[in-house]
Amino acid sequence: AQSVTQLGSHVSVSEGALVLLRCNYSSSVPPYLFWYVQYPNQGLQLLLKYTSAATLVKGINGFEAEFKKSETSFHLTKPSAHMSDAAEYFCAVIPRDDKIIFGKGTRLHILP
Amino acid sequence: NAGVTQTPKFQVLKTGQSMTLQCAQDMNHEYMSWYRQDPGMGLRLIHYSVGAGITDQGEVPNGYNVSRSTTEDFPLRLLSAAPSQTSVYFCASSYGDWWGYTFGSGTRLTVV
Repeated sequence: AQSVTQLGSHVSVSEGALVLLRCNYSSSVPPYLFWYVQYPNQGLQLLLKYTSAATLVKGINGFEAEFKKSETSFHLTKPSAHMSDAAEYFCAVIPRDDKIIFGKGTRLHILP
Repeated sequence: NAGVTQTPKFQVLKTGQSMTLQCAQDMNHEYMSWYRQDPGMGLRLIHYSVGAGITDQGEVPNGYNVSRSTTEDFPLRLLSAAPSQTSVYFCASSYGDWWGYTFGSGTRLTVV
């Protein structure tokens, strides 16, 4: 079965430091890949998506992600963390001919 | 404002009661889905629809019914509430899975 794995259920970074949230997927062919963000007491919001165009995808709020087929990864990064980035982040994958699958989420904590 | 509207935001039910969670979208999206979110479990798909009159089961459909009589509305019915259905429920809509979903703000349901 297809799956998506987010390494680390909680990640803490200092304000101004690099944010790196890891996502690996299992798929025999390059799928569609997404990152969503969920702020407290809100629904999920689409950050960015990869749909087989450029491997480096830029999203909202300064986030970007790079699709690496050889590593089956789609890690999310931001050069400089801001307090407002504190939220839960979900990686999601759509295997070909199947429904979207969400990872279990990574809660990002920003330390002052 | 365009988006996905869920009602109610909060609900407490007694075991065995039934209720309907409402979901409406005004973006003319064909795809609509219901998810439940539980701590450490990510989002799990309950039911989905790819157009009016078409519904299908997701990963965890037991105890829930849906119908899609219009493009705009996709209600979720709990037939006989159980404590295991205590969760946060999200409705989402899209032009298609690959497009990325717009989520509602959620319904927090407690079954006692």
